[in-house]
Amino acid sequence: QQQVKQSPQSLIVQKGGIPIINCAYENTAFDYFPWYQQFPGKGPALLIAIRPDVSEKKEGRFTISFNKSAKQFSLHIMDSQPGDSATYFCAARGAQKLVFGQGTRLTINP
Amino acid sequence: SQTIHQWPATLVQPVGSPLSLECTVEGTSNPNLYWYRQAAGRGLQLLFYSVGIGQISSEVPQNLSASRPQDRQFILSSKKLLLSDSGFYLCAWQQNTEAFFGQGTRLTVV
Repeated sequence: QQQVKQSPQSLIVQKGGIPIINCAYENTAFDYFPWYQQFPGKGPALLIAIRPDVSEKKEGRFTISFNKSAKQFSLHIMDSQPGDSATYFCAARGAQKLVFGQGTRLTINP
Repeated sequence: SQTIHQWPATLVQPVGSPLSLECTVEGTSNPNLYWYRQAAGRGLQLLFYSVGIGQISSEVPQNLSASRPQDRQFILSSKKLLLSDSGFYLCAWQQNTEAFFGQGTRLTVV
């Protein structure tokens, strides 16, 4: 009930491609869905976030798509660049804390 | 603006030795504070969180403990480290929605 399932575990995309990372949840009480980006040896940093009353949110090259009925949300990265290579975590906010997905290691090849 | 400080950045400790990792937050009051552990190439495991001074919630039984002696200070401790305590430890604070992470401590138990 408290889990957030994230896929794929790893993803390799050519520069300019559109990597898509998917997450699914069960708890309908979750009310906020952020994505975090983590570079090696660093703490995760907030990338973009969405509330469940919105179906899509764009910030620069990053887009979240949210399907409330399916309890799924995804991150799309437009015109991906080698500098986007990182681990990405989806999360969902429950009571007092965020529940994180297991992470996706994204590699953008030049 | 709010900032979070976590130290040390790296630590090598022998098995059976004690541990104390400290995290402090500036620029905010009464934040929710969190300790996460991240094994190599894995997701974020929530260890402890605190919603106020002296209030600690433990997510998983383990060899570690946490304390919050002041509003913006969160400490992770162990009396005797195990090899399995090795990992990347992250402190985070959360107020309302987003969580903000420190830069992490890489702990190696030898």
